[in-house]
Amino acid sequence: DAKTTQPNSMESNEEEPVHLPCNHSTISGTDYIHWYRQLPSQGPEYVIHGLTSNVNNRMASLAIAEDRKSSTLILHRATLRDAAVYYCILSYNFNKFYFGSGTKLNVKP
Amino acid sequence: DVKVTQSSRYLVKRTGEKVFLECVQDMDHENMFWYRQDPGLGLRLIYFSYDVKMKEKGDIPEGYSVSREKKERFSLILESASTNQTSMYLCASSFGNEQFFGPGTRLTVL
Repeated sequence: DAKTTQPNSMESNEEEPVHLPCNHSTISGTDYIHWYRQLPSQGPEYVIHGLTSNVNNRMASLAIAEDRKSSTLILHRATLRDAAVYYCILSYNFNKFYFGSGTKLNVKP
Repeated sequence: DVKVTQSSRYLVKRTGEKVFLECVQDMDHENMFWYRQDPGLGLRLIYFSYDVKMKEKGDIPEGYSVSREKKERFSLILESASTNQTSMYLCASSFGNEQFFGPGTRLTVL
């Protein structure tokens, strides 16, 4: 399974943008990049996914490097509710995900 | 809204017991998954099912089996529970590009 590398933790101030990085140097041409997050005491929830082009949705933006070996999840204005563990996942289909340890995001008021 | 429910939030069992963890989804999803989550290891896939009576091993299937007799229900079975199976167990279902997770079952094996 393709692996990803993320920082263990990051900190942000409320209402400021947050850029969560992910390295995936062994990505193959058919791998999609997925982001999920896990709020305390809950199961993970979908955030966004993409293949080659940058993607935007109501929750976040996904910026994918031109060589696809890295990506960045962007939260445009962090809120306290965004404090969670964020997982960057590669998958060539949507069935087998390798979650890894993720990045724990702390948001300070 | 998609709803994935798990039979228990907390469960305590003894070594050697047979344990059933049940998961039900209400959106007619074809794919269902069982993961376990341990500190520092993230989520690891145990088994998944892409149709009724169909299953495929994930990354850590040893010590576990699964059953999918109906589309909405996916059961994880620990034939003889051991202390190293103490963990948080998460069920998910999917259709297309998004997995929907249940709240998890925290299993303690004494």
